[in-house]
Amino acid sequence: QVQLVQSGAEVKKPGASVKVSCKASGYTFTSYGISWVRQAPGQGLEWMGWISAYNGNTNYAQKLQGRVTMTTDTSTSTAYMELRSLRSDDTAVYYCARDRRKYYDILTGSTSFDYWGQGTLVTVSS
Amino acid sequence: DIVMTQSPDSLAVSLGERATINCKSSQSVLYSSNNKNYLAWYQQKPGQPPKLLIYWASTRESGVPDRFSGSGSGTDFTLTISSLQAEDVAVYYCQQYYSTHSATFGGGTKVEIK
Repeated sequence: QVQLVQSGAEVKKPGASVKVSCKASGYTFTSYGISWVRQAPGQGLEWMGWISAYNGNTNYAQKLQGRVTMTTDTSTSTAYMELRSLRSDDTAVYYCARDRRKYYDILTGSTSFDYWGQGTLVTVSS
Repeated sequence: DIVMTQSPDSLAVSLGERATINCKSSQSVLYSSNNKNYLAWYQQKPGQPPKLLIYWASTRESGVPDRFSGSGSGTDFTLTISSLQAEDVAVYYCQQYYSTHSATFGGGTKVEIK
């Protein structure tokens, strides 16, 4: 069965960086893209960006450009999200989510997300 | 960026009654080339990740009860729970995926039991 298992909770100081991992299993990793979505306490969902596990192409939300980097390691079927220059308003639960459609089926637009990781709480506090 | 606006922010419905949630996009999410609306609905319960309910605006994900249905086209969409059950208490989000390798979510609608 498809699973996305994320790394554990992190506490960081303002200005630091955090790197969250998302280990996939139960499917061919390189056939699907991965998005990262975050949720501040008591707030809604915010899409952060997307990475193709096939060729490493990325697309980041404009507000995070320059502070976020998404990568994959196909040898371990793991996706990573690194966020730098952390601020208090980056405190949130961070989720990875799998594209519902395979990369070669997405000819226009994007896709919904059918499997999600359990979430990783990142707390930014001095 | 396409902005998604949900209404209401919250609603309370009696068990067995209908719940209706609306979602409006700032531009059409209908691709004329394939006549598909790039709109999904998710359910999120406390402490859990979101769960995909509906995609292509009206296609139920496998395993989703048929009391959940999606409708609408272009810029205006609706999620309907035909007969609310206790386990449906959650926050519901719409999402557009019209933009290339990008997405935005609505602000969410909290559904409670009256």
